[in-house]
This record gives sequence, structure tokens and C-alpha cells, in this order.
Amino acid sequence: GIQVEQSPPDLILQEGANSTLRCNFSDSVNNLQWFHQNPWGQLINLFYIPSGTKQNGRLSATTVATERYSLLYISSSQTTDSGVYFCALTTGTASKLTFGTGTRLQVTL
Amino acid sequence: GAVVSQHPSWVICKSGTSVKIECRSLDFQATTMFWYRQFPKQSLMLMATSNEGSKATYEQGVEKDKFLINHASLTLSTLTVTSAHPEDSSFYICSARTVGGYTFGSGTRLTVV
Repeated sequence: GIQVEQSPPDLILQEGANSTLRCNFSDSVNNLQWFHQNPWGQLINLFYIPSGTKQNGRLSATTVATERYSLLYISSSQTTDSGVYFCALTTGTASKLTFGTGTRLQVTL
Repeated sequence: GAVVSQHPSWVICKSGTSVKIECRSLDFQATTMFWYRQFPKQSLMLMATSNEGSKATYEQGVEKDKFLINHASLTLSTLTVTSAHPEDSSFYICSARTVGGYTFGSGTRLTVV
């Protein structure tokens, strides 16, 4: 099956710093989403981005499908950004999401 | 937007008992629901796909007799962990596909003692 690797696995930032999270995948994708999992486990949909670039406030994402990677940018990080960030995707005719390995982010004061 | 309601949020049960987890699509019809399990500090792993009115499809290595899935209506899917044991303690979360991608329930933290 498809392999989905995220980097870095762990990241500690000071409040106000910027960061880039990466998602590499081993096959062509139909659907790609970025999620933020908060400390209570809730998965919050950040972007639906199978290709191109999108921005939402301090967050933006870019997917280069031909090169099989996606990036999530966080600017001016806040403590509320802490949690785990996952990319998840579908391939071929399958409708089930495969999750990446995740990036655990901690934003400190 | 599309909302999936999942209950209970957390449950503690004795070893050997069964636990039922419900997921309801509140403002849309979900013909397909996905069930995931997440162990601490790990990613989400798909357990099974439930289809309204038909049998669920289980991923390799998931015991279908232990994790019973029912999808009797377009708005309700249930996961029953039968004869639970401490190794079944985990975070279980459901998902449905919507227009804007996939939406998830709030998850159920199961602890078997």
C-alpha cells in the first residue's frame, strides 16, 4: 500500500516562530487533507488540498502532486497550535483515508 | 458544515464485557462510515469500512468477530468491542466522507480494566 511519511516527527517552537511541516507520499493521490489533532483527540480539518495552494489565516498548504509531497506552513505560531498534525490521503479508486506518521508540535511561551 | 456525533467520549469497562460506540451523521446521510483506532503517540489506523445495509469490510489483522460493526441506517453506524481486554484499550474514532473531504467524530477513549 501507499507509504505516507511526515517530517519532522517532533517540533518545539517558541511562540511567534514559523514552521514548515512536510508530507511525502509514495503514489499518486486523489484526495489529501491536513488535520490538527488537539490534546483531547479531536481531529480538526485544516485543508482539503489534493493539489495547489490554499491559505487560511496563519496557515497555508501546498501540494505538488507530481512530486508527491505536501507542505503545511504555520506562521506566527501560538500555544494553541500545539498538538499533532497529520496529513491523510486516498489513492486510486479507494475511498479510505491513509494517515501519515504525524508531526507532534509543541509551542512554548 | 457536516457533523459526525460520536458517543460516548470515554468509557471504562471491566475485562470480558462489551462496549458499544455510536456515530451519527447529524446533517447529512453517510452511506459509508470508517472506523479508526489510535494507540498512544501513534497514527490513526483504519480498522474497517461500514456500508449502510451491508456487511463491513475489515482491514487485514482486525478481528471481525471482536469488533462488530453495524450500519443499519444512513445516519448511524455502531462499533461494538466484544469481550474487551486491556489490550483493546485505545482511542476509537469514526469518519464519513463529505463534500469537502472527510469529517471525523470526536472519538471515544476506551479503557479496559
